[in-house]
Amino acid sequence: DGGITQSPKYLFRKEGQNVTLSCEQNLNHDAMYWYRQDPGQGLRLIYYSQIVNDFQKGDIAEGYSVSREKKESFPLTVTSAQKNPTAFYLCASSIAVAGGSYNEQFFGPGTRLTVL
Amino acid sequence: AQKVTQAQTEISVVEKEDVTLDCVYETRDTTYYLFWYKQPPSGELVFLIRRNSFDEQNEISGRYSWNFQKSTSSFNFTITASQVVDSAVYFCALTAFGSARQLTFGSGTQLTVLP
Repeated sequence: DGGITQSPKYLFRKEGQNVTLSCEQNLNHDAMYWYRQDPGQGLRLIYYSQIVNDFQKGDIAEGYSVSREKKESFPLTVTSAQKNPTAFYLCASSIAVAGGSYNEQFFGPGTRLTVL
Repeated sequence: AQKVTQAQTEISVVEKEDVTLDCVYETRDTTYYLFWYKQPPSGELVFLIRRNSFDEQNEISGRYSWNFQKSTSSFNFTITASQVVDSAVYFCALTAFGSARQLTFGSGTQLTVLP
């Protein structure tokens, strides 16, 4: 079945450690996104990528880094510079935005990161 | 800048009642898209509908219906004859061409349907 997988589902990290969240999709989508969700709040965009080897910062990129070496994969690293990393992280993908259209994003199941 | 407001933080209804979730948006662009997503307790967001700014026709899909009114910048979502399985957080979202096509989410409405 086509879809988006994120691993792990739950992740615990000690302060000062970097941690990488995995996101893989087999939908053949060009665009991929990372969002952060805090309790009682909407989603905020961290990074997005419209094509392999290219990505742009979203609204809250500080303390995060990404790579897009393959179309299927868009890993997110939460660095020690991120001051409050405990949150729910969602990865999404969509058909590339083109012309006058905008396509819906499809989401993975999320990773809940807790900093101890 | 664009903004989405979902003023209803939490709503509780009894099964079989109808419920409307409000969404008000702000954008300076004349071309934009609006979305509704459902987030069940499992956490994954489920796409429900996409509507562009040039199509003001209301849409019905089973027990779900959407009312898009540009005059009031609203895109409200109604669930008819609600069921316990409808319990979730519902998000309204907006993207406009002047925003680098980034998706802006509202803060969500937690809907609880009681048996």
